[in-house]
Amino acid sequence: SQKIEQNSEALNIQEGKTATLTCNYTNYSPAYLQWYRQDPGRGPVFLLLIRENEKEKRKERLKVTFDTTLKQSLFHITASQPADSATYLCALGGTASKLTFGTGTRLQVTL
Amino acid sequence: GAVVSQHPSWVICKSGTSVKIECRSLDFQATTMFWYRQFPKQSLMLMATSNEGSKATYEQGVEKDKFLINHASLTLSTLTVTSAHPEDSSFYICSAPTSGQETQYFGPGTRLLVL
Repeated sequence: SQKIEQNSEALNIQEGKTATLTCNYTNYSPAYLQWYRQDPGRGPVFLLLIRENEKEKRKERLKVTFDTTLKQSLFHITASQPADSATYLCALGGTASKLTFGTGTRLQVTL
Repeated sequence: GAVVSQHPSWVICKSGTSVKIECRSLDFQATTMFWYRQFPKQSLMLMATSNEGSKATYEQGVEKDKFLINHASLTLSTLTVTSAHPEDSSFYICSAPTSGQETQYFGPGTRLLVL
């Protein structure tokens, strides 16, 4: 069955460092992969989309890589700030705009 | 950017009653909307796809007679949890695809507590 796993339940890093979050999937061949941010008690907010034929995508302090051979995506936040503290979800795109979400990684950036 | 709203933001009800949750696209039309459920410390699970003018499509394991979906207009989808029970207590979130159909705008969510 299809499975999407994100690394460690929580990731704690110091302000200014780069946070790296991992998304691994099995039994899936997505046309694209997306990353969302979710704050407690709120709906997810779209951050980045990367297609199967793209290796890397950047947006300001965010960078996403996509390795379809390894079936893995890495999500990086450089120069992290306390305001970046949230849960980050990866999502795989399927048919009819449906998304399948990973379990999420909670990021805590401390001063 | 496009905005999706939900109402109510939270609701407490007695076991056995029905609860209606509204999802609106505020500045764009959405022929398709999605309904998700999220239990504490878990990810979003897609429940159903709401289609304007036709029946909703439910994911495997989701009871269509318990979770009634009506997509009455291009900007409104409703989810009714019928005969709610404590195990239905969860965070319900709707979303609508962007014009390119790949990403989604999510509503703020509705927290349901069934006593």
